[in-house]
Amino acid sequence: QVLLQESSPGLVKPSETLSLTCTVSGASIGRSSFYWGWIRQPPGQGLEWIGSMHYTESAYYNPSLRGRVTISVDTAKNQFSLNLRSVTAADMALYFCARFRFTSSPLIDSWGQGSLVSVSS
Amino acid sequence: SSELTQDPAVSVALGQTVRITCQGDSLRSYYASWYQQRPGQAPVLVFYGENSRPSGIPDRFSGSSSGNTASLTITGAQAEDEADYYCNSRDTGGDLSVLFGGGTKLTVL
Repeated sequence: QVLLQESSPGLVKPSETLSLTCTVSGASIGRSSFYWGWIRQPPGQGLEWIGSMHYTESAYYNPSLRGRVTISVDTAKNQFSLNLRSVTAADMALYFCARFRFTSSPLIDSWGQGSLVSVSS
Repeated sequence: SSELTQDPAVSVALGQTVRITCQGDSLRSYYASWYQQRPGQAPVLVFYGENSRPSGIPDRFSGSSSGNTASLTITGAQAEDEADYYCNSRDTGGDLSVLFGGGTKLTVL
């Protein structure tokens, strides 16, 4: 059983960088065909895809966030990370790390429990 | 880029059948996946592809697709099925962009 666990940055100041790490257990990031990525959910709202990547490829990002977001993978630590630059109040959300499969339909078969990020000075 | 559209809210009487729909141009090319999210929890995959249900998901959950519309059907809805349901699919652009519908809140009466 694969488990994903997000780190907890909690509070980020406006204009600074939000950094999250997801630790994966039960599966090896560097030895699979899966993609790994991030999804967020503002309070009381729906899900928004942030981006995904395979350890051998470049990452794919939501066009609305492109330019501010970077996803990277550390196969040695079996972790992947999210950096979101120049945050504003609009970036306040529950951030999920997730495992993706791209077949006839993209699907997310494993989710972390979510990490709540607030943006405030 | 494309969008996926869902009805914001749907209700069903206990034990009856309900269909939750998802519309979008990308669904002409790709199947939808469906997720259930109960309050305070992470989403859970309940149906995907042409006809696939993850292990542990009750067989009252089924899916279908026609043209630009994908549907999740719950046959014999139970009280525990009350939740938010999201569809997702892939954008029709050249890269692996992922789309989510806005979500449907299902109330079981």
